[in-house]
Amino acid sequence: GAVVSQHPSRVICKSGTSVKIECRSLDFQATTMFWYRQFPKQSLMLMATSNEGSKATYEQGVEKDKFLINHASLTLSTLTVTSAHPEDSSFYICSARWGVTLYEQYFGPGTRLTVT
Amino acid sequence: ELKVEQNPLFLSMQEGKNYTIYCNYSTTSDRLYWYRQDPGKSLESLFVLLSNGAVKQEGRLMASLDTKARLSTLHITAAVHDLSATYFCAVVPLDRGSQGNLIFGKGTKLSVKP
Repeated sequence: GAVVSQHPSRVICKSGTSVKIECRSLDFQATTMFWYRQFPKQSLMLMATSNEGSKATYEQGVEKDKFLINHASLTLSTLTVTSAHPEDSSFYICSARWGVTLYEQYFGPGTRLTVT
Repeated sequence: ELKVEQNPLFLSMQEGKNYTIYCNYSTTSDRLYWYRQDPGKSLESLFVLLSNGAVKQEGRLMASLDTKARLSTLHITAAVHDLSATYFCAVVPLDRGSQGNLIFGKGTKLSVKP
C-alpha cells in the first residue's frame, strides 16, 4: 500500500528559530500534498495544498510567509515554520495523493512540534 | 461556509453494546471518508464512501452514505475496548474536488468500557 513518511516525528525548538518538516511519499508519486495542523483535542485543519512544481495554495488565515511550503519533487514536500512561537506548537500532519481523480489520500504519521 | 458536523462528540459505551455516530455535511460532495485516530497518532483510513447508498463493513464497524440527506453513519456493533479512539468523518467539497482537500468533522471520541 501507499506509504507516506514524515520527518522528524517530534521536534522541540526555541522561540524565534525555524524548523523544517519533511513529507515523503515512499512508493508512489504524489502530485498533490496537503498539510494539516491539529491542536490538542481538536480536529484537523487544512493549512495548504501543494502541487509539485507550483506554489502552494494556502487556506484563509494561514500566513504564507510564516509557513513556507515547497513541493520540489513528486515525492517530497517540506513545511518550514519560520520564527516559531509557542502558539505554533501543534501536531502537523501531511497527506499525499496521486492524480486528480484518485479518491484516496494517504496520511503521514505526523510531526509533533513544541516551541519553547 | 462548508460545515461537517459529527455527533456525538463524546461517546462512552459498554462493551457489547451497539451505537451509531452521525456525520452531517452542508455541501455537495461525491465522497466521504471515515478515519480513526489513536492518541498521539496520525489518521488510519477506515472507509471511503463514493456513492449514494454505499455501505461498507469491516469487522464491528459499518459505514453508510446518503448523499441526498448529506448524512453518513458509522455503526458500531458489539463494541470492544480496542475500538476506543477518536473517529473523524471528512468530505471533499465538489467545488474543490480537483484539489481533493478534506474538510473534517470535529471528531467523536469513543471510550469503550468493560
